[in-house]
Amino acid sequence: DIVMTQSPDSLAVSLGERATINCKSSQSVLYSSNNKNYLAWYQQKPGQPPKLLIYWASTRESGVPDRFSGSGSGTDFTLTISSLQAEDVAVYYCQQYYSTFFTFGPGTKVDIK
Amino acid sequence: QVTLKESGPVLVKPTETLTLTCTVSGFSLSNARMGVSWIRQPPGKALEWLAHIFSNDEKSYSTSLKSRLTISKDTSKSQVVLTMTNMDPVDTATYYCARIDGEWLLDYWGQGTLVTVSS
Repeated sequence: DIVMTQSPDSLAVSLGERATINCKSSQSVLYSSNNKNYLAWYQQKPGQPPKLLIYWASTRESGVPDRFSGSGSGTDFTLTISSLQAEDVAVYYCQQYYSTFFTFGPGTKVDIK
Repeated sequence: QVTLKESGPVLVKPTETLTLTCTVSGFSLSNARMGVSWIRQPPGKALEWLAHIFSNDEKSYSTSLKSRLTISKDTSKSQVVLTMTNMDPVDTATYYCARIDGEWLLDYWGQGTLVTVSS
């Protein structure tokens, strides 16, 4: 199975400041035939199910604010919140769908400093 | 509008079999290339993918739980059923079902159902 790791485990950022979360996969999730990275990011707020934020590593889901952006390719990926808002407090998970056996990262908790 | 709703027991005893049902609306389980996944989350812990089933009845299971899981669907009832045998307290978790769209994305999720395993 593809193992997903994330760093840091948690971070606290001041309102309006940038938050950066890293995700690494144990093998490449870049599908060469279409040049797409099968990597998604989810946001989970307390008591709620996860919400799809970004897919193909960098495509924002409809309705997701443009302060959220994804980057990276192959095995190394980043989720950036360019200007943290109070409503962004949540746990963020990366997930690969390159393999039919989906796997999630351990999550990164984002709080306000 | 697409919705998914999980249902099943809130409490099961150790060694019992858990049966969960995901009832979907707003799309058909026969839609080409679509499917439904089950994912669980122990209290305070990370998400763990369990299994999925596609419209063509193709199924996949978590490597670590494969021997205990069975997934099936009833297209006419718009339901996907997951069974997990030999339940243990470590299986206590919120169990979610989610739609897999044609691009393999988990784009819609149910609210989840908390299952506690205790004698």
